Amino acid sequence: GQQLNQSPQSMFIQEGEDVSMNCTSSSIFNTWLWYKQDPGEGPVLLIALYKAGELTSNGRLTAQFGITRKDSFLNISASIPSDVGIYFCAGRQTGANNLFFGTGTRLTVIP
Amino acid sequence: GAVVSQHPSWVICKSGTSVKIECRSLDFQATTMFWYRQFPKQSLMLMATSNEGSKATYEQGVEKDKFLINHASLTLSTLTVTSAHPEDSSFYICSAAPGIHEQYFGPGTRLTVT
Repeated sequence: GQQLNQSPQSMFIQEGEDVSMNCTSSSIFNTWLWYKQDPGEGPVLLIALYKAGELTSNGRLTAQFGITRKDSFLNISASIPSDVGIYFCAGRQTGANNLFFGTGTRLTVIP
Repeated sequence: GAVVSQHPSWVICKSGTSVKIECRSLDFQATTMFWYRQFPKQSLMLMATSNEGSKATYEQGVEKDKFLINHASLTLSTLTVTSAHPEDSSFYICSAAPGIHEQYFGPGTRLTVT
């Protein structure tokens, strides 16, 4: 199946800093989702995006659906230690039920 | 809302035995459930899509006779790993879709085959 490319692969940041990560694909998607996964747990849905250009916030998190429909980014503002984890983007194509997942971005926040 | 549970959360079994993993949507109905496998430090790989009352659709390379999926009701899907071998050791995660957009994931089941 397809895989979405996420960057960066990993990030080490100081508490309080802002974070930005993105997800790109060679194919068009009609839905973009961002998930966070803690060790030994299932992914938790953070933000869902349904329209090209859409910008959606959830607390300190903001995500955008790229105009080309081939990319999305996630920003985290004023990071805190509990933001530590792996962030995955996921996309769904028109007419499909299933999601394709990104390669993940591992975030470490240094107190 | 949108809570998905999995049972067991971890299991150790001997090579050659079968293991059943349950996935339940607790507060919504899901006509579609998905089963993923995740190896350490890797992304989620879709194994199969399970639709209530019909046969599962397996992704390329996933053996349907080895990974038996049953979706008997709108809130329960099961994955049975038959004749498990050490290479089947992995983190198995299910998700449930209440509609056509989001998927909500269970907490995962760690399978270790000795």
